Amino acid sequence: GIQVEQSPPDLILQEGANSTLRCNFSDSVNNLQWFHQNPWGQLINLFYIPSGTKQNGRLSATTVATERYSLLYISSSQTTDSGVYFCAISSGSARQLTFGSGTQLTVLP
Amino acid sequence: EAEVAQSPRYKITEKSQAVAFWCDPISGHATLYWYRQILGQGPELLVQFQDESVVDDSQLPKDRFSAERLKGVDSTLKIQPAELGDSAMYLCASSPGTGGTNEQFFGPGTRLTVL
Repeated sequence: GIQVEQSPPDLILQEGANSTLRCNFSDSVNNLQWFHQNPWGQLINLFYIPSGTKQNGRLSATTVATERYSLLYISSSQTTDSGVYFCAISSGSARQLTFGSGTQLTVLP
Repeated sequence: EAEVAQSPRYKITEKSQAVAFWCDPISGHATLYWYRQILGQGPELLVQFQDESVVDDSQLPKDRFSAERLKGVDSTLKIQPAELGDSAMYLCASSPGTGGTNEQFFGPGTRLTVL
């Protein structure tokens, strides 16, 4: 099956800093989603982005499908951005998402 | 805004007992998924439904787990008997269509602790 690797595994920032999270994958994709898992465990949809670039407020994402990677950018980070960020992908005939191991982000006040 | 509903939010049980989790997907969503997330890892698929039919249960431990979606709407996941290793977050998701290109939306999850 498809392999999904996220980096870095842990990231600690001061409030106001910018960050870039990376997701590498091993095969062509038909669905790529970024999620933020809040402290209560719920997965919040950030982006549905199998290709191209999208922006939503302080967050933006870019997927370069031909080079098999996606980036999530967080600008002017806030303490509420803390949590785990997951990249998840479906490929080929498979409909279920395969998740990476996540990036644990901590934003300090 | 439409959301995936799950209950209960938390469940504590003793090993060898039976537990059941319920999921109500976003209205009109044909595809329903149950994922299990062990602490420190990403979620992994247990079972996928298309309407009322199971389309993938290859990762479901069928000796103790069962899942149904009788009318193609809400779904129940059952574990009998529960084991210590079943302690995890159980997440339900839904998507509108039949293709893999459809965005998935997750419910709040049920956090299971087996003592």
